[in-house]
Amino acid sequence: QVQLVQSGAEVKKPGASVKVSCKASGYTFTSYAMHWVRQAPGQRLEWMGWINAGNGNTKYSQKFQGRVTITRDTSASTAYMELSSLRSEDTAVYYCARGPRARYYMDVWGKGTTVTVSS
Amino acid sequence: DIVMTQTPLSLSVTPGQPASISCKSSQSLLHSDGKTYLYWYLQKPGQPPQLLIYEVSNRFSGVPDRFSGSGSGTDFTLKISRVEAEDVGVYYCMQSIQLPITFGPGTKVDIK
Repeated sequence: QVQLVQSGAEVKKPGASVKVSCKASGYTFTSYAMHWVRQAPGQRLEWMGWINAGNGNTKYSQKFQGRVTITRDTSASTAYMELSSLRSEDTAVYYCARGPRARYYMDVWGKGTTVTVSS
Repeated sequence: DIVMTQTPLSLSVTPGQPASISCKSSQSLLHSDGKTYLYWYLQKPGQPPQLLIYEVSNRFSGVPDRFSGSGSGTDFTLKISRVEAEDVGVYYCMQSIQLPITFGPGTKVDIK
C-alpha cells in the first residue's frame, strides 16, 4: 500500500532551519509529485510548494519563496522540505502529500511532522 | 490568491440525518480545459487530511457513496446523505486552478 513516512518532531530556535523528510513506498516515486502543506495550531491548511518527483521541477507559494526549498532523492524515494529563518509563526504540523504530476491535488498524505520554534 | 470560504464553520448532526457544507471561491474554478479544480478533504481527529472528492463531484477510491459533491464556477456543495459517527472531523474545500493552492477555513462536523 502507498505510504509516506515522515521524519520525527523537531524543536528549533528562531532563525534556525529545519529539514523534514518524507519517504515514499508502495508506488513508483518518480511517477508522482509531492506537495508540502502545513497546519499551524487552529489554522487552516496552507500549501507551501510542490516538486515533480520525476524531473525535479518545483513550484513554491510566494509566501514562502526564498525560505523554502523542496528537493528529492529518487534513489531513496524520499522528498525533503527545508524551511529557513524560522520564526515562532512557523510552529506547525508539516505534511507531505502525494499528488499526480499533471494535476495539483493530493491523494495520499503523510502523518505529519511537528515543528516547534521556540527560544 | 484565491480566497475560499465555507459555511457553516461548525455543524452538529444527528446520526442518519443529512448534512451539507457550502464552499465559495473568490474566482471561478472552471479551467479552459473544461475541468473545475475544486476538491474536498476530511481531517478526522488526530489524522492527516484524506481526499474525499476531486474535481467537484468525483469520489476518490474507497469513499462511501453517501458523500457527494456538486457545484460550478464559484459555488460548491458537499453533501453527506446520512451522517455516520465515523464522519466526524473537519471538512476542507481546496482549489488548485491557480497557485498557490488554497484551502477553505474548514467546517467542523460533530455528532449530536
